[in-house]
Amino acid sequence: DSGVTQTPKHLITATGQRVTLRCSPRSGDLSVYWYQQSLDQGLQFLIQYYNGEERAKGNILERFSAQQFPDLHSELNLSSLELGDSALYFCASSVGLATYEQYFGPGTRLTVT
Amino acid sequence: AQTVTQSQPEMSVQEAETVTLSCTYDTSESDYYLFWYKQPPSRQMILVIRQEAYKQQNATENRFSVNFQKAAKSFSLKISDSQLGDAAMYFCAYRRTQGGSEKLVFGKGTKLTVNP
Repeated sequence: DSGVTQTPKHLITATGQRVTLRCSPRSGDLSVYWYQQSLDQGLQFLIQYYNGEERAKGNILERFSAQQFPDLHSELNLSSLELGDSALYFCASSVGLATYEQYFGPGTRLTVT
Repeated sequence: AQTVTQSQPEMSVQEAETVTLSCTYDTSESDYYLFWYKQPPSRQMILVIRQEAYKQQNATENRFSVNFQKAAKSFSLKISDSQLGDAAMYFCAYRRTQGGSEKLVFGKGTKLTVNP
């Protein structure tokens, strides 16, 4: 158990819908990362937050957005869902920016039908 | 942009034998970190081993060791005395040390099968 929690574990929804994935980092970790794992694209970085502020963006679609709240939990919002958005979404956290170790949550499996 | 390449989509090894997984990367930076992550069927991402680029000594963690060749930009993982529980996807990953994002850049992965 990494100490990072993600909810829900599984999510099945229809095209065009909107969903919210939630992540609670390890206690004391200030930095949160979101990654997407799909069969065709592999593991890709989406976005990073540090202490409530967006720090970096990767290949994140405009239909996707995220935020980190004052209690440091983070949410990833996916809207206008398409079949191709079906993937495993991971959240990872680290203590700070210089710390190299990122701890991954168990992931949320999103299926868009 | 940094890229990570794992040229072996699949590998297999007999239980108790040794196997080496390959990874090459491309970067213009001189200081960075490299990692091997394991993803078993449970899908959990587990950090296996890490290497700081400024360190000449290869990292080891019990049965896992790396062969880090900085000039060749090569970072292979050796698993000794393979066990059935080592069966998983293995991902090589790169992270810069400073400036910009601390994101991980992953290779496509190598699926390791351990035969009894």
